[in-house]
Amino acid sequence: DAGVTQSPTHLIKTRGQQVTLRCSPKSGHDTVSWYQQALGQGPQFIFQYYEEEERQRGNFPDRFSGHQFPNYSSELNVNALLLGDSALYLCASSYIAGGSAGEQFFGPGTRLTVL
Amino acid sequence: AQTVTQSQPEMSVQEAETVTLSCTYDTSESDYYLFWYKQPPSRQMILVIRQEAYKQQNATENRFSVNFQKAAKSFSLKISDSQLGDAAMYFCAYMRGSNYKLTFGKGTLLTVNP
Repeated sequence: DAGVTQSPTHLIKTRGQQVTLRCSPKSGHDTVSWYQQALGQGPQFIFQYYEEEERQRGNFPDRFSGHQFPNYSSELNVNALLLGDSALYLCASSYIAGGSAGEQFFGPGTRLTVL
Repeated sequence: AQTVTQSQPEMSVQEAETVTLSCTYDTSESDYYLFWYKQPPSRQMILVIRQEAYKQQNATENRFSVNFQKAAKSFSLKISDSQLGDAAMYFCAYMRGSNYKLTFGKGTLLTVNP
């Protein structure tokens, strides 16, 4: 059973560019949450997708957008990249419809570097 | 807004010894969950232990146990018989109800000395 997968592993972009990160949830999971983890910090919640809709959102600007597909996989898009967007981006999946008592599984992350 | 505070940026322990990592949180909610996650250098965030706020009994998972003090809003993690593989960054996290949105502390870097 494959766990949560993310692609790519590493990414280097320049300021002003746009980037798309991808996440496939654990088999059977219906919800994907995205987190940004700056170096030396704890992860910060960006947003969450359930049933192809944004269910809730953290304190991130509109440059951060996302999408969930019918197969529950998800994309995170960041426009007009800033140096401060350099971070590890983590995806977490869960099974909300099953009421799994808060259990979430994390992917290995995508390391984004903005030059 | 809920906050999670980990006051120990770094901790070290000798192999086979016991170590306790501290965490405090702030919330006005009565329905919530608390978690400890481990993040080794491989970056994969791994769930160590989970505590439901309505349960008075402290959660345990093998060598890992928590001391959940609800009134004091304290949630510490005890690692017994520490092993070299326990070395990692440990994050305390809070989740309100079942919204699956985690609020993390800044983490504690645990070093295990042989």
